Amino acid sequence: VLTQSPATLSVSPGERATLSCRASQSVTSSYLAWYQQKPGQAPRLLIYGASSRATGIPDRFSGSESGTDFTLTISRLEPEDFAVYYCQHYGRLPFSFGPGTTVEIK
Amino acid sequence: EVQLVQSGAEVKKPGESLKISCKASGYTFTNNWIGWVRQMPGKGLEWMGIIYPGDSDTRYSPSFEGQVTFSVDKSTNTAYLQWSSLKASDTAIYYCARHRISATVTSHDVFAIWGQGTMVTVSS
Repeated sequence: VLTQSPATLSVSPGERATLSCRASQSVTSSYLAWYQQKPGQAPRLLIYGASSRATGIPDRFSGSESGTDFTLTISRLEPEDFAVYYCQHYGRLPFSFGPGTTVEIK
Repeated sequence: EVQLVQSGAEVKKPGESLKISCKASGYTFTNNWIGWVRQMPGKGLEWMGIIYPGDSDTRYSPSFEGQVTFSVDKSTNTAYLQWSSLKASDTAIYYCARHRISATVTSHDVFAIWGQGTMVTVSS
């Protein structure tokens, strides 16, 4: 089971955003991903393997892990970054998503 | 260009059957697992399961096993999600999505390519 915090994060453009995803048990081989979803759009893969950026993802997005705690950091928020972010584990079936964090404009 | 194009929105009554589609193009269809993700109105993403188009090997989430059926047609590069008897609680957007890397490497992978989603509304 994955939990994400905070549920909502209010940030000003240009500021840093730090999103957390905690696994209830060990995530096999860092099999943790992050997705971004904007209203009316399909999700987009940002990060896989806890820290590898997907193709075409700007380097302001970064992922890290510490045990069962995973973090997505957006270094300087751009207007297009305001969205919902989901983590997903894929190390053990069934794969599952966290409940999401909404990043909103402060 | 690699893409997944899903069938259009559906409005059905409870008890009816439904099969929605996801047509792949721009890559070898049997190379990558394809999965399905549900998003109920205003809610988060739910992993339903995956299917390997090469041999139709499937892995269902326990939450969806017995409730839906995945299938593929290799001749048309199309994956399908079907229900035999819809319920109002099946109302949601359903996304198909393709794993990032080849199925010969692993079935444990992320969804790198997504379809645009199919809205299914079940109402009497």
